[in-house]
Amino acid sequence: QITLKESGPTLVKATQTLTLTCTFSGFSLSTRGVGVGWIRQPPGKALEWLALIYWDDDKRYNPSLKSRLTITKDTSKNQVVLTMTNVDPVDTATYYCARSPGYLDLWGRGTLVTVSS
Amino acid sequence: QSVLTQPPSASGTPGQRVTISCSGNNSNIGSNYVYWYQQLPGTAPKLLIYRNNQRPSGVPDRFSGSKSGTSASLAISGLRSEDEADYHCAAWDDSLSPFWVFGGGTKLTVL
Repeated sequence: QITLKESGPTLVKATQTLTLTCTFSGFSLSTRGVGVGWIRQPPGKALEWLALIYWDDDKRYNPSLKSRLTITKDTSKNQVVLTMTNVDPVDTATYYCARSPGYLDLWGRGTLVTVSS
Repeated sequence: QSVLTQPPSASGTPGQRVTISCSGNNSNIGSNYVYWYQQLPGTAPKLLIYRNNQRPSGVPDRFSGSKSGTSASLAISGLRSEDEADYHCAAWDDSLSPFWVFGGGTKLTVL
């Protein structure tokens, strides 16, 4: 059974750095073709893809947020970490991680992050 | 402003067939597969259709996807009350810096 779970702070202050961790099980991020991505959804709004890291450590970022994002993986711990610098209240959203065997197929339940001013 | 365009809402009565459209351009839908996700209230998105028209195991055949040019559609036949949800389309965008793009989501109401 494949599961993904997001964890991190529920509340951060504007200008701070947000660090989120995706802990997964049931698959390996050392398997060729596999990746883990992050997607967010502000309350009542659309999904927005943030970043993706592949088994070979290739990384892709949303061009509009690239300067603020860093994605890393720890294959031995089955974890993927996303950091977002200089957060703003507009970054308030539910943050999801998802497995990607070429597309985003299985998602975690998400974690709501509120950015206060 | 989402890269892919979906109608904000759709509705139908039980048993009806409804379709939801998703419009993009040559760098996304026009050259890549389309994916559809169902998001029930208060839950995470669930993959409904992959590679334009393929259903993951467990997804009823009442759900079907199609693609033509730079547009795609999700069709739901035999509409049921439990289909009331938000539906999102997605595609890879082959722009200078490739990335995943989503539609704005369509809220389906079963009347």
